[in-house]
Order: sequence, then structure tokens, then C-alpha cells
Amino acid sequence: QVQLEESGPGLVKPSQTLSLTCTASGGSITRGGYYWTWIRQHPGRGLEWIGNIYHSGGADYNPSLKGRVTISVDTPKNQFSLNLTSVTAADTAVYYCARRIAGAVGEDRFDPWGQGTPVTVSS
Amino acid sequence: DIQMTQSPSSLSASVGDRVTITCRASQSISKYLNWYQQKPGKAPELLVYGASRLEIGVPSRFSGSGSGTDFTLTISSLQREDFATFYCQQSYSYPFTFGPGTKVEMK
Repeated sequence: QVQLEESGPGLVKPSQTLSLTCTASGGSITRGGYYWTWIRQHPGRGLEWIGNIYHSGGADYNPSLKGRVTISVDTPKNQFSLNLTSVTAADTAVYYCARRIAGAVGEDRFDPWGQGTPVTVSS
Repeated sequence: DIQMTQSPSSLSASVGDRVTITCRASQSISKYLNWYQQKPGKAPELLVYGASRLEIGVPSRFSGSGSGTDFTLTISSLQREDFATFYCQQSYSYPFTFGPGTKVEMK
């Protein structure tokens, strides 16, 4: 049973880079059929998909983040990471990592999720 | 981007009630539709995937239906532990998008 846990600073200054890591336990991130995903939730609001990466390194991102985002994977550590540059207050959110299961046609879904880590952008 | 809408945005119901939540996509997404439940302070949890497939461990009072642009999540008999916010999510194309959520509150 894979479990995911986010880690990283809870406070980031404007214009700096937000960096988070997700550590997977109970299963290898190199197993095929899974994409490793970041999702965020602004305070009191809905969910926004940030992007995902395959263990071999291919990543896809939400165009709304306009080239500020990079997701990377560290297979020996069984971790994947999020870097978001030039942050503003609009990037204040709870950040979740999740596993995207690439199932049969039409059955891609996010499961499980980490518990989430709140990040505030403020000077 | 595919826009997802949900209705209602919130509802009040009692234990034992039948509850139906609707999700609509801005274009056809076949059956590429998932439902999640989120309780306060917790991460979302998968309930239904592929529009109608119940995730292992999810009670059978939950069911999903629909295809194309219109989908529903039904709770046949609301239980106390079901009060939460429910989100739909399309996995048809990047960027994956979520609905704004439906909050189910106790009447």
C-alpha cells in the first residue's frame, strides 16, 4: 500500500522558489503504470492540477503556471519534487502529492494522496 | 482547457436521505470522470473512477453514472460520515481539471 508524504518549507518569500518533496513508502515509484503528481488547493477553494512526471523523467505541466514549474524524480530516494519559481501570494495554497494511476481507457485517477502541506507566500 | 461545473454548490440533507450531485463538462469526455470526497483538513479521497467504477473499500451506497458531458454521483442513503465536499475531475485531457465542489451539510 503506497503512502505519500510531502515535505518542505511552509513559508516562502515573494519572487523566490517554492520547493517541495514527496516521499513514497510501501512501493517503488519506478513501477510502471503510474505518474507522480502535484495538485494544489487555494484557501477555501477548489483543486488545481499542477503537473505530473513518469519515473523515466517525462513530465507534463499545467499551462496556467506559465513555465514556472518543474517536477523532477529521484528514483534512488523514491521521491519526486516540485519547484515553482517567482512565487506570489497567489501561490499560497495547500500542496498535495498524489499518484496518478494510468488505468484502462478512461480510468486514470489520483489515488492515493499525501496529507497535504500548506505553503504561504509572504514577506 | 475542459471546464467542469457542479450543481448544486452546496446542499443540506439528513441522515438517510438520497443525495444526487451533478457534474457537467464543457465538452465530451466520454467516461473519463472521477469523483473525490474531501473532509475538512484532509486530502481528497477517490470514490468513483471511470464515471461508474467504485473504488475498492468505498461503501456501495455511493454510485456514479453518466458519459459524454453529464455525470452524477448518488449517495443512496446518506450517513453521518458522508458529510463532506465532493469534487468531480476529468482525466480526458491535459490539463486535468476539477469541478468547484459540492458541499454536503447536515440539515
